[in-house]
Amino acid sequence: NAGVTQTPKFQVLKTGQSMTLQCAQDMNHNSMYWYRQDPGMGLRLIYYSASEGTTDKGEVPNGYNVSRLNKREFSLRLESAAPSQTSVYFCASSGPQGGNQPQHFGDGTRLSIL
Amino acid sequence: LAKTTQPISMDSYEGQEVNITCSHNNIATNDYITWYQQFPSQGPRFIIQGYKTKVTNEVASLFIPADRKSSTLSLPRVSLSDTAVYYCLVGFFTGGFKTIFGAGTRLFVKA
Repeated sequence: NAGVTQTPKFQVLKTGQSMTLQCAQDMNHNSMYWYRQDPGMGLRLIYYSASEGTTDKGEVPNGYNVSRLNKREFSLRLESAAPSQTSVYFCASSGPQGGNQPQHFGDGTRLSIL
Repeated sequence: LAKTTQPISMDSYEGQEVNITCSHNNIATNDYITWYQQFPSQGPRFIIQGYKTKVTNEVASLFIPADRKSSTLSLPRVSLSDTAVYYCLVGFFTGGFKTIFGAGTRLFVKA
């Protein structure tokens, strides 16, 4: 039972390069999320998708775009990477709307921008 | 969104009970209290969730007083492997809810 799978696990980019982080869940969850976590800090919400076909901005959306490809997959794209986007990125998913469901997280993508 | 306040760090020894308190003075009527645990290089993991009084599972207990303005996560007989960051979240987590993680409480368990 894989849960939430993120790819890649590690990536190094040069400033200005583009990159798409992939996330897939096999729990039939409606909602999916992208967070970033900087050293010594909590998680900050970048974007979320309440259900297939919808996306909305979180706390720190600038410099990112997302795509909810289908119910299983939610990707995060950096169009022009900047050193300030060096971080660990976590994807999460949660159960049906209308319920108070906790989030299930992947193990993260460690991204370095040089 | 209800703001939460937790201690930045705590130390404990193996075998002790650890209690981490979270303050959430402006909790709303529909809000639940949820705790997550995060180990280094891993995503947060759900520990326990409650609305009022006491909730217990195989990992922890959650104590919530009648006014619900605070809550206490209790970890019985901690071991070295319980060294982690613990996050308290307050809200009604329907799909798409803008959850906010604070800095959490860093628990260090010593031998």
